[in-house]
Amino acid sequence: DVKVTQSSRYLVKRTGEKVFLECVQDMDHENMFWYRQDPGLGLRLIYFSYDVKMKEKGDIPEGYSVSREKKERFSLILESASTNQTSMYLCASSFGRGDYGYTFGSGTRLTVV
Amino acid sequence: RKEVEQDPGPFNVPEGATVAFNCTYSNSASQSFFWYRQDCRKEPKLLMSVYSSGNEDGRFTAQLNRASQYISLLIRDSKLSDSATYLCVVKMEAGNMLTFGGGTRLMVKP
Repeated sequence: DVKVTQSSRYLVKRTGEKVFLECVQDMDHENMFWYRQDPGLGLRLIYFSYDVKMKEKGDIPEGYSVSREKKERFSLILESASTNQTSMYLCASSFGRGDYGYTFGSGTRLTVV
Repeated sequence: RKEVEQDPGPFNVPEGATVAFNCTYSNSASQSFFWYRQDCRKEPKLLMSVYSSGNEDGRFTAQLNRASQYISLLIRDSKLSDSATYLCVVKMEAGNMLTFGGGTRLMVKP
C-alpha cells in the first residue's frame, strides 16, 4: 500500500512562528499536494508539485510556501503563523495523470495561538 | 457555480436502509470520477472509482451519467459503520488535478 506520512498529528504554535509541515510518500509518486480543510469550506488546495523542485500555487497560497527538494518529500511552510491558519492540513500524492486518485496522509491538526 | 456540487446533508437513515447520493459536475470534458469516504477527523480515503458503465463493490454501486453530468453512489443495507462524509471527486480534462465536492454527510442510526 502507498503510504503518505505526515510528520505530526497535532501541532500547537504561537502567532508569528515559522512552521514546517512535512510530508513523505514511499511509492515514487510524481505529484504531491497540500490542502487545508475547514468546517463548511471543504478541501482547499494550497500548493502542488508535479516534479522535484517544481511548485505551483493552488487556490489559497497566501501566507504559505512549499519546498520539494526530493521526489518523496513535500514540505509546507507557514512563514509567520497566524490564528486564521488554524486548520487541518492534508498532504496527498498521486501517480501519473491522477487517474487512480490521490492517497492522503493522516493529516496534521494545527492550532495557532 | 461550484465545479463539483453535492448536497451536504446530513442524510439520516436507519440501519438496513438503501440510500443514494448524487453529485453534479460542471466540466463536460471531465475524464475520471471517484467517490471518497472521510470519517470524522480522519483523512479522505478512496472508496471506489466510477466507470462509464457503472460499477459495483459489494453494497456500493456507482453510476456515471455523462449526458447530464452527474455521478451517483448507492449504498444498500446500510450499516452503522457507513456513517461518514462521502466526497464526490472529478478529474478535469487536463492536468493531474482532482476537484473535490464539499461532501455529503451520512448518519446511519440503529
